[in-house]
Amino acid sequence: GENVEQHPSTLSVQEGDSAVIKCTYSDSASNYFPWYKQELGKRPQLIIDIRSNVGEKKDQRIAVTLNKTAKHFSLHITETQPEDSAVYFCAASTGGTSYGKLTFGQGTILTVHP
Amino acid sequence: GAVVSQHPSRVICKSGTSVKIECRSLDFQATTMFWYRQFPKQSLMLMATSNEGSKATYEQGVEKDKFLINHASLTLSTLTVTSAHPEDSSFYICSAKYPGKGDTQYFGPGTRLTVL
Repeated sequence: GENVEQHPSTLSVQEGDSAVIKCTYSDSASNYFPWYKQELGKRPQLIIDIRSNVGEKKDQRIAVTLNKTAKHFSLHITETQPEDSAVYFCAASTGGTSYGKLTFGQGTILTVHP
Repeated sequence: GAVVSQHPSRVICKSGTSVKIECRSLDFQATTMFWYRQFPKQSLMLMATSNEGSKATYEQGVEKDKFLINHASLTLSTLTVTSAHPEDSSFYICSAKYPGKGDTQYFGPGTRLTVL
């Protein structure tokens, strides 16, 4: 089955700096890659996603890049703010007969210091 | 749009009892819902895929007789933890696939289960 590795496990930045979180996946059939933000005790919230027919997607301060050849994708957050502090999860899905089930990375604890 | 609710948000039960958790898509119909378990400071572990009108598909290592899943309508899936034990204590989260948006999933707020 699919395996998703996420790095780093913790990331500490100063407010205004950029943050980058990287994920690799094992199944070349994976075609959908969402990123979720989860605050303590809350639900994961979809912040951005990318499909395999696109190499990059941007939404204001957040961007995701995908390299299908290398089987890795990354989340980029620019001009970080303290409210960006949370746990971020990447995930991958092969869709099709698996009904789009997601395999999650281990998570990255992002701390933005004011 | 794309709101998923869960009930209850917290439940405490005695060992040996059963607990039912409901997951509802409030403003859309979801043919597919998923149930996850999350331990403190860990990632989400998929337990099963729930499809409306058919039997759930369980992930390897998840006991189907212990974690009963029913997806009786396009807006409701339930997870029943049978004969609960302290090791079943965890955060259970459901998600629902949003129709027309591929594999996009939206999550419920989760249910904190504590088994005494």
